[in-house]
Amino acid sequence: DSGVTQTPKHLITATGQRVTLRCSPRSGDLSVYWYQQSLDQGLQFLIQYYNGEERAKGNILERFSAQQFPDLHSELNLSSLELGDSALYFCASSLDPTGDGYTFGSGTRLTVV
Amino acid sequence: GENVEQHPSTLSVQEGDSAVIKCTYSDSASNYFPWYKQELGKRPQLIIDIRSNVGEKKDQRIAVTLNKTAKHFSLHITETQPEDSAVYFCAATDSWGKLQFGAGTQVVVTP
Repeated sequence: DSGVTQTPKHLITATGQRVTLRCSPRSGDLSVYWYQQSLDQGLQFLIQYYNGEERAKGNILERFSAQQFPDLHSELNLSSLELGDSALYFCASSLDPTGDGYTFGSGTRLTVV
Repeated sequence: GENVEQHPSTLSVQEGDSAVIKCTYSDSASNYFPWYKQELGKRPQLIIDIRSNVGEKKDQRIAVTLNKTAKHFSLHITETQPEDSAVYFCAATDSWGKLQFGAGTQVVVTP
């Protein structure tokens, strides 16, 4: 157990729908990162939060949004889902925003049908 | 922004042989270079990392080397075993401190 908790583990939904993925960082970690991994692809950075504030943004689609709450958990919202959004979504956390000590959660596997 | 290139994309080795994966990065300010191992359907797990003030680091059968002048770093696995089969990702921090990952190397160790 990495200490980073992601829920749900699996999600199957239809095109056009909206889903919310949740991440609880490791105890003490202030920074949360979201990554998308499509089949046989690398880890594409989506967005980073540090202590409640957005810190960096990657190639995140406008249909996607995220936030980090005062208790430091984070949610990634995916709307108007398309077949191509099917992927593994990973959350990672670290103590500070320097990337040191990144720990990944087990991921949420999203299948859009 | 930071750009990390990783080679090769696939690597087949016989059990007992060595495996080497190479990465280059673009941001000269990068100062932290971790390597992750990902088994099928599982989360990436940190296996070794190196900081910019160190040229080489070793942990049992795994070693990482860093050449800051040339902006490249490499992962070396010696005496490979079937359980080393996985996808390996290199990464480098960018100016924001987040990790930029390479595209990954699929390593297959055949008995």
